Amino acid sequence: GENVEQHPSTLSVQEGDSAVIKCTYSDSASNYFPWYKQELGKRPQLIIDIRSNVGEKKDQRIAVTLNKTAKHFSLHITETQPEDSAVYFCAAGGSDSWGKLQFGAGTQVVVTP
Amino acid sequence: GAVVSQHPSRVICKSGTSVKIECRSLDFQATTMFWYRQFPKQSLMLMATSNEGSKATYEQGVEKDKFLINHASLTLSTLTVTSAHPEDSSFYICSAREEDRFFTDTQYFGPGTRLTVL
Repeated sequence: GENVEQHPSTLSVQEGDSAVIKCTYSDSASNYFPWYKQELGKRPQLIIDIRSNVGEKKDQRIAVTLNKTAKHFSLHITETQPEDSAVYFCAAGGSDSWGKLQFGAGTQVVVTP
Repeated sequence: GAVVSQHPSRVICKSGTSVKIECRSLDFQATTMFWYRQFPKQSLMLMATSNEGSKATYEQGVEKDKFLINHASLTLSTLTVTSAHPEDSSFYICSAREEDRFFTDTQYFGPGTRLTVL
C-alpha cells in the first residue's frame, strides 16, 4: 500500500519568513495530493491540493509543487503569520476507487512574531 | 465549501458501554465516508471506509465487531464503539468524500469526537 513520509516534524519560523514542508510517497499510482491544516483540538482543514496532471499550484501565500518522477511534493508558505501556526498534514491518494488517503505524520509549524 | 458535522463532540462513558457517533454531510451527498482515529500529537489513522448501501471496508488491524459502521443514507454514517474500554479512548474523526464531475477525491472532515472511557 501507499506510504507517505513527511519532513520536518517540527518547524519554527520567524514571522514573515517562508516555510517549506516536504513529503514523499511510494505508490506511483497515486494521483491526488492534498494538504490539511489542523489547529489544536479542531478538524483538519483542506488548504490546497494538487493532482498529478500539474506540477505546481498556488493560492495566495500557499503553493504546492509536485515531482511525479521523484515521487515527492512540497508545501510552501510565504510571508508567514502567527495564525499559520498549526499542524500540517500531507496526504496521497487516488489510486483506489474509494478515494482513500494515506496521511503523513504531520509537521508542527510555529511562527514567532 | 462542503460542511461535515459530527455528533457528539465529546462523550465520557463507563467501560463496557457502547457509544454511537454520527457523521453527516450537510450540503452535499457522500457515497463514501471515512472514519479515522487520532491519538495526541499523531497523524490520522484510517479505520474504515464507509460506503452507502454496502458493508464498510476495514483497515488491517481494526476489529469490525468492535467498531460497527452503518452508512444508511447519502448524508449519514454512524460509528458505534461496542463494549468500550479505556484503550478505546481517542479522538475519532469522520470525513466525507465530495464527488463532482471532475474531482472525486476531496475529503472534508467533521469536527471530531473526543471519547473518554472510564
